[in-house]
Amino acid sequence: RKEVEQDPGPFNVPEGATVAFNCTYSNSASQSFFWYRQDCRKEPKLLMSVYSSGNEDGRFTAQLNRASQYISLLIRDSKLSDSATYLCVVKPGNTPLVFGKGTRLSVIA
Amino acid sequence: NAGVMQNPRHLVRRRGQEARLRCSPVKGHSHVYWYRQLPEEGLKFMVYLQKENIIDESGMPKERFSAEFPKEGPSILRIQQVVRGDSAAYFCASSPTVAGLNNEQFFGPGTRLTVL
Repeated sequence: RKEVEQDPGPFNVPEGATVAFNCTYSNSASQSFFWYRQDCRKEPKLLMSVYSSGNEDGRFTAQLNRASQYISLLIRDSKLSDSATYLCVVKPGNTPLVFGKGTRLSVIA
Repeated sequence: NAGVMQNPRHLVRRRGQEARLRCSPVKGHSHVYWYRQLPEEGLKFMVYLQKENIIDESGMPKERFSAEFPKEGPSILRIQQVVRGDSAAYFCASSPTVAGLNNEQFFGPGTRLTVL
């Protein structure tokens, strides 16, 4: 089982749609969780950290379920500029960040 | 404020040559991380360094790859005798203290290595 697994992409959605990405992780000792965004041929950029109680940042909502070792990202009212690859990232304790392969999102006009 | 800087942005090498990738972290950051991203793959951790020390090199191939972060100057990722399979994007990231929890890693723009 891979350390961090994400939905296979790509997701093609119309502008204004709501889209959800899922991610599971295998290391139950993981302590920190993040969603990064990576545009084509660019570096990853932190979108948001994920907290146990769930957190929201504008149109983006992240949820964590430690019991199921599951993380989600919800994007509401999708914009063309949301088109990118979304990376689920986990930090198992005092170890390096572990990245998922990413899920590609294309928002279509 | 300058972010993480990497150079060169693109590097072409022939098989058997050496590749040197440089990374200047955000000013004041003393923790540097190197990642490799193969085409259509996720980022894979290679090595974590603090000034003059390698903290974790569990992701580094055992041969041909080395990294340093000297007291003065940028961090260097060195690949000797490159092979076609080394072609990838190499990203450097830095953080002010140990990344994770409340500390974000800031990524540089990457160096795209192509081995002919």
